[in-house]
Amino acid sequence: DVHLVVSGGGLVRPGGSLRLSCAASGFTFDTHAMNWVRQAPGKGLEWVSAISASGGSTYYADSVKGRFTISRDNSKDSLDLQMDSLTAEDSAVYYCAKDRGSFPGGGLDYWGQGTLVTASS
Amino acid sequence: DIQMTQSPSSLSASVGDSVTITCQASQDISKYLNWYQQKPGKAPKLLISDASNLETGVPTRFSGSGYGTDFTFTVGSLQPEDIATYYCLQYDNLPLTFGGGTKVEVK
Repeated sequence: DVHLVVSGGGLVRPGGSLRLSCAASGFTFDTHAMNWVRQAPGKGLEWVSAISASGGSTYYADSVKGRFTISRDNSKDSLDLQMDSLTAEDSAVYYCAKDRGSFPGGGLDYWGQGTLVTASS
Repeated sequence: DIQMTQSPSSLSASVGDSVTITCQASQDISKYLNWYQQKPGKAPKLLISDASNLETGVPTRFSGSGYGTDFTFTVGSLQPEDIATYYCLQYDNLPLTFGGGTKVEVK
């Protein structure tokens, strides 16, 4: 079975940083692109970032470009999201999601449980 | 960016009713559309991929259709456990974009 376990959320001051991690199991991690999707409280889903299976290509939503960095370690089956210069608008539950393809665009099939990030003073 | 217009934003139906949700894309996305079910406090669950492909283990009362810009998701006979919010997702182009969601309630 596919399992994605997300960690690293919490309360951070505006302007601060946080690093999220997603531990994957149950599939061949290095053959699938991975994504981060977020959901503000009571709101819909917003795609944030994606990374190709090899890690050689990264993609970002305009709302986070230049502030967030996605990375992966295929030797450890793990995915990270480094979030800098956080604002209140970044407050959300963050999910990692597996892509069906080796590049983003295969569709998201499995999702982790999510972790809450709150940027507030 | 491709805009996904999902309707209605909410609906109320009785157990056993047929329920239909639509998603319209702002440009042709071929068959590259998924449907998800999200229950409160949980991650989304994939129900339908490639517009009409029912995922393994998903009850056959769920179905999807459409191609290009217009897509439909149907629950053939609504059950109490189907109470959730449903989202469409286009994956033809980055950025991936979701519909606004449809909250389904039982009368």
